[in-house]
Amino acid sequence: GAVVSQHPSWVICKSGTSVKIECRSLDFQATTMFWYRQFPKQSLMLMATSNEGSKATYEQGVEKDKFLINHASLTLSTLTVTSAHPEDSSFYICSARGPGGPFGEQFFGPGTRLTVL
Amino acid sequence: DQQVKQNSPSLSVQEGRISILNCDYTNSMFDYFLWYKKYPAEGPTFLISISSIKDKNEDGRFTVFLNKSAKHLSLHIVPSQPGDSAVYFCAASAKANAGKSTFGDGTTLTVKP
Repeated sequence: GAVVSQHPSWVICKSGTSVKIECRSLDFQATTMFWYRQFPKQSLMLMATSNEGSKATYEQGVEKDKFLINHASLTLSTLTVTSAHPEDSSFYICSARGPGGPFGEQFFGPGTRLTVL
Repeated sequence: DQQVKQNSPSLSVQEGRISILNCDYTNSMFDYFLWYKKYPAEGPTFLISISSIKDKNEDGRFTVFLNKSAKHLSLHIVPSQPGDSAVYFCAASAKANAGKSTFGDGTTLTVKP
């Protein structure tokens, strides 16, 4: 299957700093990428939909000024957690949608563990 | 309001037996359903899907059944293997919502040797 990578896999930062997480589709072009957040023993919560060349669409309750998403190319989307605080500590997962329209298969990255001290 | 529910947080079965994971949904707009498998500290991997125009889809040891009238779907794994031990997420999408997936809370499957 298609491969999606995330970098870094684990990041620890001080409160108040910003952290950038990259999501890359390695062997296919993805016009749509999704960013999820997962709390321990909970489901994946969709944060935003990232479309190449346009602004991201954020889910209700997600602060767009705090979670900046950029989808500059067909293979790269970035999530920047600005002024991170301990409550932002979580497991962030991206996915990239393959060809096939709205029901194209989603390929998930391995996730990024963010710990804010 | 949780639109996709997996009411069993965990399931334990013996190797070689059948595993049945259940999922209920409330939104009648959902028209595509997926099952994902997830290991700790990894992203989910796609297992099997089913369109709302079907009631069954089979892929090797994995079969998904959809009961639209009951808004219920299930994943059957037979025979179960120890390597199947993981968290299984049910997800539902609606074409009208650009195919965005809504996930259930997951069921942790443990297959004992």
